[in-house]
Amino acid sequence: DVKVTQSSRYLVKRTGEKVFLECVQDMDHENMFWYRQDPGLGLRLIYFSYDVKMKEKGDIPEGYSVSREKKERFSLILESASTNQTSMYLCASIKGRGRETQYFGPGTRLLVL
Amino acid sequence: QKEVEQDPGPLSVPEGAIVSLNCTYSNSAFQYFMWYRQYSRKGPELLMYTYSSGNKEDGRFTAQVDKSSKYISLFIRDSQPSDSATYLCAMSASSYKLIFGSGTRLLVRP
Repeated sequence: DVKVTQSSRYLVKRTGEKVFLECVQDMDHENMFWYRQDPGLGLRLIYFSYDVKMKEKGDIPEGYSVSREKKERFSLILESASTNQTSMYLCASIKGRGRETQYFGPGTRLLVL
Repeated sequence: QKEVEQDPGPLSVPEGAIVSLNCTYSNSAFQYFMWYRQYSRKGPELLMYTYSSGNKEDGRFTAQVDKSSKYISLFIRDSQPSDSATYLCAMSASSYKLIFGSGTRLLVRP
């Protein structure tokens, strides 16, 4: 079974803090994704990575950056957290670009005060 | 207008009922269609995956895609309280970049 893990289930941070969210997958998947999920808005893609050190902006990249130094690990960074970044953050991975689909981690619920 | 529209519910049904969940979309390039189930405070898990038009059945679940109407459905037969969750439709033109609906909350009453 594919396993996608996220470093924290719940996080509470203060406005202006730098926040790191980590995601690890154990199935040698090339592609990894970060989404945020908000009520009524569904899942929105923040960034994705199709290879080590490669990244592409998703639909809502403002205020976020990412890092992928190793194939199995994809980090989401909030350089200066703001209250409007309070959300559920979901990481996903997929092996290739064929007929597979994305496997999700359990999510990190972030509260920015 | 959103690319993918999904009624947020909540949809409340008695145990044993047939449930119908739906999404409409506007992008005719979509050819990969998925349904995810998400329990409270958990990540989404893949339930059904369909490529192009047609039906797909897996146990109590049936997914239908009507590309001519830009409409997809998920049917749940003999619904159980354990089916209570949020159901997200997702679709893609390229299979690796997904567009999600906002999710429908389903409650199956014992």
